Amino acid sequence: AQSVTQPDIHITVSEGASLELRCNYSYGATPYLFWYVQSPGQGLQLLLKYFSGDTLVQGIKGFEAEFKRSQSSFNLRKPSVHWSDAAEYFCAVRNAGNMLTFGGGTRLMVKP
Amino acid sequence: DGGITQSPKYLFRKEGQNVTLSCEQNLNHDAMYWYRQDPGQGLRLIYYSQIVNDFQKGDIAEGYSVSREKKESFPLTVTSAQKNPTAFYLCASSAVDTRLYEQYFGPGTRLTVT
Repeated sequence: AQSVTQPDIHITVSEGASLELRCNYSYGATPYLFWYVQSPGQGLQLLLKYFSGDTLVQGIKGFEAEFKRSQSSFNLRKPSVHWSDAAEYFCAVRNAGNMLTFGGGTRLMVKP
Repeated sequence: DGGITQSPKYLFRKEGQNVTLSCEQNLNHDAMYWYRQDPGQGLRLIYYSQIVNDFQKGDIAEGYSVSREKKESFPLTVTSAQKNPTAFYLCASSAVDTRLYEQYFGPGTRLTVT
């Protein structure tokens, strides 16, 4: 069965520092991978997606993610974090039923 | 502006009562979804619908029911059979072509049952 693991439940970074959020997936075929962001008490917003092609994908708000098949990973990165990036981040993979399987989320806190 | 609306934002009910959560979209999407979110568990799919008058169970459908009488609307009823209904409920929609996986989410309804 497909699964998504986000090993870090909470991460705290200082404003202006770089960020990397980890995501590992389990899926037999070519994965379709996504990162979503959720502000407190709100719905989810799509940050970026990977379907095929270039393994480094750019998203909104200055985020990028790199697909590494050998490591079954799709880590999210940002070179310089802003206080407004504090939120919960979810990685997701298309599953065999053509639905999305979500990871448990990583809550990002930003120190001033 | 196109989007998804969910109402109400907060909902309180007594145990044993059924409650219906509203979800409306004006994105002209064929597919709609209901998810349940609990702390640390990500999102879990309750029901989804890819066309009017048709819907399928997701991973945790027990104790829930839905209807899809109109393309724009996909209400979710949390029945008294749902053992642990207190949660944050998210509605989403998407196109049904290759963009199926690009889901757009509403703001959510937080249901508290006491």
